[in-house]
Amino acid sequence: NAGVMQNPRHLVRRRGQEARLRCSPMKGHSHVYWYRQLPEEGLKFMVYLQKENIIDESGMPKERFSAEFPKEGPSILRIQQVVRGDSAAYFCASSPDSSTYYEQYFGPGTRLTVT
Amino acid sequence: GQSLEQPSEVTAVEGAIVQINCTYQTSGFYGLSWYQQHDGGAPTFLSYNALDGLEETGRFSSFLSRSDSYGYLLLQELQMKDSASYFCAVDRMDSNYQLIWGAGTKLIIKP
Repeated sequence: NAGVMQNPRHLVRRRGQEARLRCSPMKGHSHVYWYRQLPEEGLKFMVYLQKENIIDESGMPKERFSAEFPKEGPSILRIQQVVRGDSAAYFCASSPDSSTYYEQYFGPGTRLTVT
Repeated sequence: GQSLEQPSEVTAVEGAIVQINCTYQTSGFYGLSWYQQHDGGAPTFLSYNALDGLEETGRFSSFLSRSDSYGYLLLQELQMKDSASYFCAVDRMDSNYQLIWGAGTKLIIKP
């Protein structure tokens, strides 16, 4: 019974490159959330997606960041032209449906380092 | 605006009891969740309160007072493995289905 899977676990990118983070939700879960966390800080909501739909992207920067959750395959968080300030841990979480979104299951995170 | 306040750090002794408080000010409220996160790890769900009162799950209990906009997480018989950060998060059950997160409380346990 696999939990939420994220890959890669660690990602190093040079400034200006693209970062692509993947998240496979728990089996049976159709709701995905992406969060960013800086060291010693709390979770910052970025985007909430359902299959093929972005429900809420109010926490995501308007430029360089995009997210998708296609009908088939994992959810992708894409960061174009990365800058040093993008270095953080990015967590994906999933929930089975909208009625239980208060109980989210988190993946192990992707630690992005921009050099 | 939306805000949740938690102490940034709490220190306790192994075997003791500790309470981590969370006060919230949000437009709309349906319930309060608690999550645990070990250093370098992922947050894990601990509990959820939608009704006033105490919910007990083993050594951990969570309390909610809706009239006071206040909740707490109570950890009993502390073990070293309980050293972690603890986050409260408000569920407003609004159309955005988005939790509002506190900044977290780092719990340090001393032998």
